[in-house]
Amino acid sequence: SQTIHQWPATLVQPVGSPLSLECTVEGTSNPNLYWYRQAAGRGLQLLFYSVGIGQISSEVPQNLSASRPQDRQFILSSKKLLLSDSGFYLCAWDQQGVKTFFGQGTRLTVV
Amino acid sequence: GIQVEQSPPDLILQEGANSTLRCNFSDSVNNLQWFHQNPWGQLINLFYIPSGTKQNGRLSATTVATERYSLLYISSSQTTDSGVYFCAVTSNDYKLSFGAGTTVTVRA
Repeated sequence: SQTIHQWPATLVQPVGSPLSLECTVEGTSNPNLYWYRQAAGRGLQLLFYSVGIGQISSEVPQNLSASRPQDRQFILSSKKLLLSDSGFYLCAWDQQGVKTFFGQGTRLTVV
Repeated sequence: GIQVEQSPPDLILQEGANSTLRCNFSDSVNNLQWFHQNPWGQLINLFYIPSGTKQNGRLSATTVATERYSLLYISSSQTTDSGVYFCAVTSNDYKLSFGAGTTVTVRA
């Protein structure tokens, strides 16, 4: 069966520090991969999506970036975090845009 | 982009009650999903339902694509049903557009 792993679960980082969040999917090949952010009490905002290795589409201009170095690995990064980057980050996957599955999320607090 | 509206924004239920959540969308869709976000933030996929009706235990969903809406029914609600219910759609690509969600509180 397919599983998605996302880590860490919580993270507290100072302003200006770098960020790296990792997501991996098991049990499937060539999935579509997504990074979403959820601000407190709000809906989900799509940040990045990828339909294949090295193929990244950005939905919202910001100081975050994403990479897909392997078929089932998706990384969210920042060189310098801002206070406004705080939020709940969720990785997700699906096959051909059908049923979507989410990781457990990373709660990021920038202080 | 496609607009997704969910109603009501908040719903308080007594345990055992039934309820209906609604999702309206502004354009034709090729994918519609319902999710439940539990108090710990985990998003669980409830239904993939671009059209028709599906049932899973006490939950069922109906999508009328021609009229651009979907309904999620919760029957005999339990406290574990509490959380936020999201509707999400895609139109011409793989990118899900989410509604703002319905926050459901089930009281014992």
